[in-house]
Amino acid sequence: SAVISQKPSRDICQRGTSLTIQCQVDSQVTMMFWYRQQPGQSLTLIATANQGSEATYESGFVIDKFPISRPNLTFSTLTVSNMSPEDSSIYLCSSSGTSGTDTQYFGPGTRLTVL
Amino acid sequence: EDQVTQSPEALRLQEGESSSLNCSYTVSGLRGLFWYRQDPGKGPEFLFTLYSAGEEKEKERLKATLTKKESFLHITAPKPEDSATYLCAVQVRNNDMRFGAGTRLTVKP
Repeated sequence: SAVISQKPSRDICQRGTSLTIQCQVDSQVTMMFWYRQQPGQSLTLIATANQGSEATYESGFVIDKFPISRPNLTFSTLTVSNMSPEDSSIYLCSSSGTSGTDTQYFGPGTRLTVL
Repeated sequence: EDQVTQSPEALRLQEGESSSLNCSYTVSGLRGLFWYRQDPGKGPEFLFTLYSAGEEKEKERLKATLTKKESFLHITAPKPEDSATYLCAVQVRNNDMRFGAGTRLTVKP
């Protein structure tokens, strides 16, 4: 299974600013995913990030608000732009297993609070 | 529309009191059903993948089963350290996963 780290682990930000979250995988993976988990709720997929192509966004999420980079097979970033208190959430990245299975392994999450 | 429903929302058990968590799904083209455990402040931890009706998998006190419409996570003689939120997710295409809302399990000593 892949080991995934995220930075920062938590942050408190002001309304109108942007935050970039980093996700590092300990091995090369084809697919990486970004999820949002609002307080007391389950996970909602924001977008899928494949290396060498544009990220694919789910309904309700747009690139201008959540730009994603995937510069190589072990790294991705998610930026939360022009933040509002409604963006307060836990942001999680995941990757598909390196053995070619479809299991997704998750990072520890980034807890974001917007004031 | 693909839907995943977990029940109950919360479950309180005494240590040693066995029970089951349910995950029912309505999806087109199920590729796999996944169970995760999530502790507060942490990311989901993978437990099991089930691919076809009739399949069962076990790990310590946990056993997952799958039918054509639902999955059960059976917990035998739970311990306080089994307290967590258990998430069910279905994979339908292109590695897209849809998560249920989870069952928050509390095991009292």
